[in-house]
Amino acid sequence: GENVEQHPSTLSVQEGDSAVIKCTYSDSASNYFPWYKQELGKRPQLIIDIRSNVGEKKDQRIAVTLNKTAKHFSLHITETQPEDSAVYFCAASDSNDYKLSFGAGTTVTVRA
Amino acid sequence: ETGVTQTPRHLVMGMTNKKSLKCEQHLGHNAMYWYKQSAKKPLELMFVYSLEERVENNSVPSRFSPECPNSSHLFLHLHTLQPEDSALYLCASSQEGTAAYEQYFGPGTRLTVT
Repeated sequence: GENVEQHPSTLSVQEGDSAVIKCTYSDSASNYFPWYKQELGKRPQLIIDIRSNVGEKKDQRIAVTLNKTAKHFSLHITETQPEDSAVYFCAASDSNDYKLSFGAGTTVTVRA
Repeated sequence: ETGVTQTPRHLVMGMTNKKSLKCEQHLGHNAMYWYKQSAKKPLELMFVYSLEERVENNSVPSRFSPECPNSSHLFLHLHTLQPEDSALYLCASSQEGTAAYEQYFGPGTRLTVT
């Protein structure tokens, strides 16, 4: 089955700086890679996703890149703000698309 | 009420108790999911239902028993749980029963097994 590894587990950045989270996956047939954000005490919510037919996708301050050859994808947050403080989870679909396998999460803290 | 709701929000039960978790989605989705979230671990998929049929049972112990009477409701029946089952149980729904659609999560049930 799919195995997703996520690094780092914690990340502290100064407000205004960029944050980068990296994930690797094992199943070369995976074709959907979402990122979820979970604020403290709240439910996970999708913030951006990418499919295997594109290499990069942007949405305002958030971008995701995908390298299918190397089987890794990354989340980039620019101009970080205090409200970006949360746990971020990457995920990858399995080969039959029935389920997502999640990474262990990255706790991002933005220092004012 | 909109979105995905879960009840109860908190549950404390003994190892010999029987209880049920309830999830309801108001989004008109066709697929529903149960996940287990433990501290510092990945979200673990437990069950997937698509159009009320179970399509995935992720090697979950039989002390967890799901039920999906219709596309809007999902239950997780619990019996003779172990302390290591203490976790946040999240329900989610998506438009279709494939992983390539956004999943909408409920607020979760915080379960403590004593």
